[in-house]
Amino acid sequence: EVQLLESGGDLVQPGGSLRLSCAASGFTFSSYSMSWVRQAPGKGLEWVSAISGSGDRIYYADSVKGRFTISRDNSRNTLYLQMNSLRAADTALYYCAKFGMGASGSFSHFDYWGQGTLVIVSS
Amino acid sequence: QSALTQPASVSGSPGQSITISCTGTSSDVGGYDYVSWYQEPPGKAPKLMIYDVSNRPSGVSNRFSGSKSGNTASLTISGLQAEDETDYYCSSYTRSNTYVFGTGTKVTVL
Repeated sequence: EVQLLESGGDLVQPGGSLRLSCAASGFTFSSYSMSWVRQAPGKGLEWVSAISGSGDRIYYADSVKGRFTISRDNSRNTLYLQMNSLRAADTALYYCAKFGMGASGSFSHFDYWGQGTLVIVSS
Repeated sequence: QSALTQPASVSGSPGQSITISCTGTSSDVGGYDYVSWYQEPPGKAPKLMIYDVSNRPSGVSNRFSGSKSGNTASLTISGLQAEDETDYYCSSYTRSNTYVFGTGTKVTVL
């Protein structure tokens, strides 16, 4: 059974930093691209970042580019999101999501999600 | 990276069919067959309902179906049931090697 367990969410001041973790189990972690998706309180889903299975391809949403860094440790089956220069607008529930492989062999969708970890940016 | 456009709400009576639209551009929805749909019950993580426009994961009811025409994708729920009342989001791969979600639709069963 695929399980994704996020941790690291906290209350942090504007301009501060935080590192989120996502412990994965139930699948061959290194074979799948992974992603972070967030949801601000009362708002919709927003894609944040994605990383390939080997970690050699990384992508970010414009809203976090230059401030957030996604990484993974395949030996520990863990995904990370280093968040710097945090803003109030970054307040959200952060989900870790596994990519699923579509019919064409591309990672085209998110087939498993964790329960999320809450980040609150406030003074 | 503007969000894909979905109606804020859609409603229907039990047993009826409803359709949720998801409008993007030729750089996302219209350019790739990588549209997916997610159901998000209150307080729970999103659940994949449809991927690659019209494919249903195992375990998802065949009352859910997806399609696409041009820059607009659609999710149809047939035989609407009370348990279908929740929020739904579409998503698409984009030309920028990123992903974008829709604005979300609240489904109400009358």
